[in-house]
Amino acid sequence: GAGVSQSPSNKVTEKGKDVELRCDPISGHTALYWYRQSLGQGLEFLIYFQGNSAPDKSGLPSDRFSAERTGGSVSTLTIQRTQQEDSAVYLCASSWTSLYEQYFGPGTRLTVT
Amino acid sequence: AQSVTQLGSHVSVSEGALVLLRCNYSSSVPPYLFWYVQYPNQGLQLLLKYTSAATLVKGINGFEAEFKKSETSFHLTKPSAHMSDAAEYFCAVSESSGGSNYKLTFGKGTLLTVNP
Repeated sequence: GAGVSQSPSNKVTEKGKDVELRCDPISGHTALYWYRQSLGQGLEFLIYFQGNSAPDKSGLPSDRFSAERTGGSVSTLTIQRTQQEDSAVYLCASSWTSLYEQYFGPGTRLTVT
Repeated sequence: AQSVTQLGSHVSVSEGALVLLRCNYSSSVPPYLFWYVQYPNQGLQLLLKYTSAATLVKGINGFEAEFKKSETSFHLTKPSAHMSDAAEYFCAVSESSGGSNYKLTFGKGTLLTVNP
């Protein structure tokens, strides 16, 4: 079956522009996660969605970051007014529920110039 | 707050030699523990996990890890390294109780090189 997919695989943007990163979870998975992987900070939790519950946004680094999950499936991570420190690989993961294994997508490499 | 320390950002072994990747955790209660592997330009893949059952956990690709509460450790081992094991390995921890057991805290990673 299809795994977690993310698009685009690479994104280069100019400082100050907005970007949207997309995640398609495994069909039927109710839990969805976003992580950020950067050289300086390693792997960091960003946000968690579980069904129709309010998301856990505690890992978002600033109010320039937001995410939504439409129809309990596809999720979009939006970064407004991008800064150079936002350059990283953004990983999405999904699982049946929070108690089960998280399956990771290949990531989106964001470069802010 | 939980944390994970991986000793050694880079480990190099010869093909056929023992692989030992070290992970120590800090948590007020015994947590859930995980090892993930990441191949170049790919996402993370779960190797194995400890969720308070058997302390010796066997995973995929011949890897295993032992949970040692007294040492707050969860080291990853494989008896005989293969060239295909070359990758980056991440240890991670999550709460075993409470409402945030989904939130993984990762170590900095250990890059494993396997020499022919």
